[in-house]
Amino acid sequence: ETGVTQTPRHLVMGMTNKKSLKCEQHLGHNAMYWYKQSAKKPLELMFVYSLEERVENNSVPSRFSPECPNSSHLFLHLHTLQPEDSALYLCASSQRTSGSWEQYFGPGTRLTVT
Amino acid sequence: GENVEQHPSTLSVQEGDSAVIKCTYSDSASNYFPWYKQELGKRPQLIIDIRSNVGEKKDQRIAVTLNKTAKHFSLHITETQPEDSAVYFCASGGFQKLVFGTGTRLLVSP
Repeated sequence: ETGVTQTPRHLVMGMTNKKSLKCEQHLGHNAMYWYKQSAKKPLELMFVYSLEERVENNSVPSRFSPECPNSSHLFLHLHTLQPEDSALYLCASSQRTSGSWEQYFGPGTRLTVT
Repeated sequence: GENVEQHPSTLSVQEGDSAVIKCTYSDSASNYFPWYKQELGKRPQLIIDIRSNVGEKKDQRIAVTLNKTAKHFSLHITETQPEDSAVYFCASGGFQKLVFGTGTRLLVSP
């Protein structure tokens, strides 16, 4: 696998379920991100991890809990979600270099909360 | 907080025409302005970016211009092709923190 991978690609869960989204980057980057993409809304930055420490938390409800065990893996733990949390969840990674600040995105997990 | 406005929300052009998408931002501290292309069902991919110390950047058929005084930046695509059809997102901010626009759906008709 190359680039940024995410599993599962699709997830349907009830409001009382607990599930986790997984992201893995194979690019040797030192920062990872979670974004939420809803229809007709801009990409919303949820969390940023740099060197495995959380450096950004954009007022995300506590029912979303991120975990970054190492620089290659990022998880998003989900519990007691609401129907409005249904969206595409995108993971991204980046490496600060003198030349590029590009964020590389994964394919996303399409989440449906019933 | 930072706010990014993007216009138009949809843009239809004929193949070979030029397309222009415009964004304005609110945070004067922003110093990085990337543009991403997202094809249907696929991940966003960077197509061009610009730093605040540069006013214009070009890469083949695409170019980005930045006016820091007015806090707006634009994407220009020349000689459009059907494969340019996608949703384009602008963003502003800095390293590790980006605020995205709402996207422009570009449709290029043959």
